[in-house]
Parts: sequence; C-alpha cells; structure tokens
Amino acid sequence: QKEVEQNSGPLSVPEGAIASLNCTYSDRGSQSFFWYRQYSGKSPELIMSIYSNGDKEDGRFTAQLNKASQYVSLLIRDSQPSDSATYLCAVLVWDSNSGYALNFGKGTSLLVTP
Amino acid sequence: DTGVSQDPRHKITKRGQNVTFRCDPISEHNRLYWYRQTLGQGPEFLTYFQNEAQLEKSRLLSDRFSAERPKGSFSTLEIQRTEQGDSAMYLCASSLGSSGNYNEQFFGPGTRLTVL
Repeated sequence: QKEVEQNSGPLSVPEGAIASLNCTYSDRGSQSFFWYRQYSGKSPELIMSIYSNGDKEDGRFTAQLNKASQYVSLLIRDSQPSDSATYLCAVLVWDSNSGYALNFGKGTSLLVTP
Repeated sequence: DTGVSQDPRHKITKRGQNVTFRCDPISEHNRLYWYRQTLGQGPEFLTYFQNEAQLEKSRLLSDRFSAERPKGSFSTLEIQRTEQGDSAMYLCASSLGSSGNYNEQFFGPGTRLTVL
C-alpha cells in the first residue's frame, strides 16, 4: 500500500502568521504532487501542484518538494480566517491494480484565529 | 466555462435499492475519475476513464458498482443493492490528460449518499 501521511491537526495559527502543513509519502517513484483545500461539507479545491524539487510560489501559497526525503509541504503566508479548512496532500501513484490514481492523505485541519 | 458538475447533490435511499449518479466533466477534459470520501478520510480512488474507455478500477469497487462513460462525455456511477456502508460523498474529477500539468484533477461538488 502506497501511503500518504499527514498530521490530522488541528493546526491553530493566529491571523497574519505563517501556517506550515507537512506531508510524507512512501512511493519513491512518485513525480506529481498536489495540495487541495476542502471546506467542511464541500469538495476538494486544487490550490497547488508541484513536480520538481524546490519551492513553487503562487500568491500567499508556497509548495515545497524534497523527493530525496519524500516530503512535500505547503506554506500559507499572512493566514486569514477564510483559510480555515482541511488541507489534503495528494500524490499521483502507479499501482498494478488501479493504474495511475491520486492517493490522498487524510488531511490536516487548519484553524486561523482572529 | 463551467466546472465539473454532478447530479444529484444529495441522495437518500433505503438499503437494497439501486442508485445512479451522473458527472459532467470540464468540456475539453478527456480523463474522468470517480472517488469516494467518508468523514475524516481523504478521497479514495474508485475508477477512471480515458475518453470512453474505463482504464482502471480500484479494489474498492465491488461487483455492485459499475461505471460508464458513453461517447466519452458524461459518466454515470451505479450502485446496486446499496448497503449502509455505501453512505459517503461520491466525487467526480476530470483532467486534461496524464502528464505534467495535464495531471491536475478538478473536482465536482460531489453527491452525498445516505443509505438508511
């Protein structure tokens, strides 16, 4: 079983602070990594994708990938109460039974307090 | 351009009944995926289509589940003889393809199934 691990939280940060969300994965051959945001009762919304080692920035979001350590993270700068949600890490894996499929972690719950 | 749409948004059924859900992907996307999500878990892959061909099917998908994508456009997911354990959010996603940014999957609003 190819695992994607996330701390379930909740992670609580004050408004304006940096939120740091972490994810580890077990399949060393994985090449594509994604972060989704999911509000309670809603479907996942894609916020970042990353394919190469290093950092990728998009607005207040920065994704970081380290394939040697099998680690991907998401930084949210200037956190806002509207960022309060569950953040899902997803890794594209190949499995002999299911082919290519997104393998999701259980998500980290983020709470940004005013 | 509209995103992925799903219908119905909510379905309540009695154990043993059959249910069918529909997904309309983003128009230029040729890959379509079905996932199931239960409370406190990430989405779990069920199956996916490249155009009209069903390429892969997860071990999660028992014989009571069947999916179609006629003409490579919309897709349907049918669950026969529903069980209480089938209660979940059923999510559909679509992507352009399978490499680089084409991998990016965009989700519909989901269909929440409750089996009584």
